Amino acid sequence: AQKITQTQPGMFVQEKEAVTLDCTYDTSDPSYGLFWYKQPSSGEMIFLIYQGSYDQQNATEGRYSLNFQKARKSANLVISASQLGDSAMYFCAMRDHGGSQGNLNFGKGTKLSVKP
Amino acid sequence: DVKVTQSSRYLVKRTGEKVFLECVQDMDHENMFWYRQDPGLGLRLIYFSYDVKMKEKGDIPEGYSVSREKKERFSLILESASTNQTSMYLCASTISGRGTYEQYFGPGTRLTVT
Repeated sequence: AQKITQTQPGMFVQEKEAVTLDCTYDTSDPSYGLFWYKQPSSGEMIFLIYQGSYDQQNATEGRYSLNFQKARKSANLVISASQLGDSAMYFCAMRDHGGSQGNLNFGKGTKLSVKP
Repeated sequence: DVKVTQSSRYLVKRTGEKVFLECVQDMDHENMFWYRQDPGLGLRLIYFSYDVKMKEKGDIPEGYSVSREKKERFSLILESASTNQTSMYLCASTISGRGTYEQYFGPGTRLTVT
């Protein structure tokens, strides 16, 4: 069964606007971690933000924030004030009880295109 | 900064060839991973290793093997390359434990099998 679901294959956003990329997850482990990565066209995977299941507050890193709704099992990425350089693939990933060696389960990704 | 390097960015091989993809990390990480990335499928785990000479199968190990003789190096081997192994291959590493330990990725190897 798929553990990470990203329902938006592609999205467009106007430059300087905010955008939300959806991610839902499935786990029975009370202890887990959620990650977002960015992959520009050059191919490298860039770590953006992390949320632990026991964290009381939503994670933020600069223009990135994670809207963590535990009861809904969702971990949406919010990018504020979009820039042209934000155009990339974005992957949500989770580490749960099966990931004691740091294994991550990745979603299929969302391709974000920022329009000038 | 953590650095993960992969031996080639682009590689073209013929069907039936034995292919080696090398990955090296310089941060003394215990855990290393090989993923395959295909459009619309995201990243799928092929194999991972949590220590020298230790390996575990991921979700799609068929047709692949791995080797980890030194802590910093993790090799992916295609014993007899096939066209359905044409893909982007990503190596990653992380320290051991279950904390906020993100995986650090190499630049990827785009393999084409003809």
